[in-house]
Amino acid sequence: EVQVVESGGGLVKPGGSLRLSCAASGFTFSNAWMSWVRQVSGKGLEWVGRIKRKIDGETTDYAAPVKGRFTISRDDSTNTLYLQMNSLKTEDTAVYYCTTDEFNYWGQGTLVTVSS
Amino acid sequence: DVLLTQSPLSLPVTLGQPASISCRSSQSLVFRDGNTYLSWFQQRPGQSPRRLIYKVSNRDSGVPDRFSGSGSGTDFTLKISRVEAEDVGVYYCMQATHWRTFGQGTMVEIK
Repeated sequence: EVQVVESGGGLVKPGGSLRLSCAASGFTFSNAWMSWVRQVSGKGLEWVGRIKRKIDGETTDYAAPVKGRFTISRDDSTNTLYLQMNSLKTEDTAVYYCTTDEFNYWGQGTLVTVSS
Repeated sequence: DVLLTQSPLSLPVTLGQPASISCRSSQSLVFRDGNTYLSWFQQRPGQSPRRLIYKVSNRDSGVPDRFSGSGSGTDFTLKISRVEAEDVGVYYCMQATHWRTFGQGTMVEIK
């Protein structure tokens, strides 16, 4: 059974940092490109960024609103995906979803609130 | 950036009746490998998104056959042949040809 479980969300002040984790199982994580998607409450889905698999260079790409502030990384030895978020802004407040880059497996999301 | 425009944004439907959602792209979604990376997602209230259709018309495992996808180039459609109560939610198209972009979403509700 495929499981994707995000963690690490919470309340952080503007300008602060937070690291999200995503534990994956039930599929070959090391073979998967992975993405993060976010959703502001009551609004639509927004792609945040993606990391390719190791044999493809673990290249990362980011959406314009987060480029230079967010960093995606992965640890294939523990089947874990990370999202390091720095210089957080109030507009980064959202539920953050971890998903394969084919978008066929999704987690339940973790809420990040940026507020003073 | 590729813009995906869905219509309608709200779709009240009668149980058992068909429903159709349009997704139009600002650029062709045909990738250099010949594939068109246009997917459809369902998000039921309080749930994570679920992929229904990938590469325009391929239904995911477990997705009822009343859901179908069609289209090419810049114009795509998701059809529900007979709407059931469990189909209530927001439907999104997404393209993965030029980075990744989601449409605004279409809320399907029962009349």
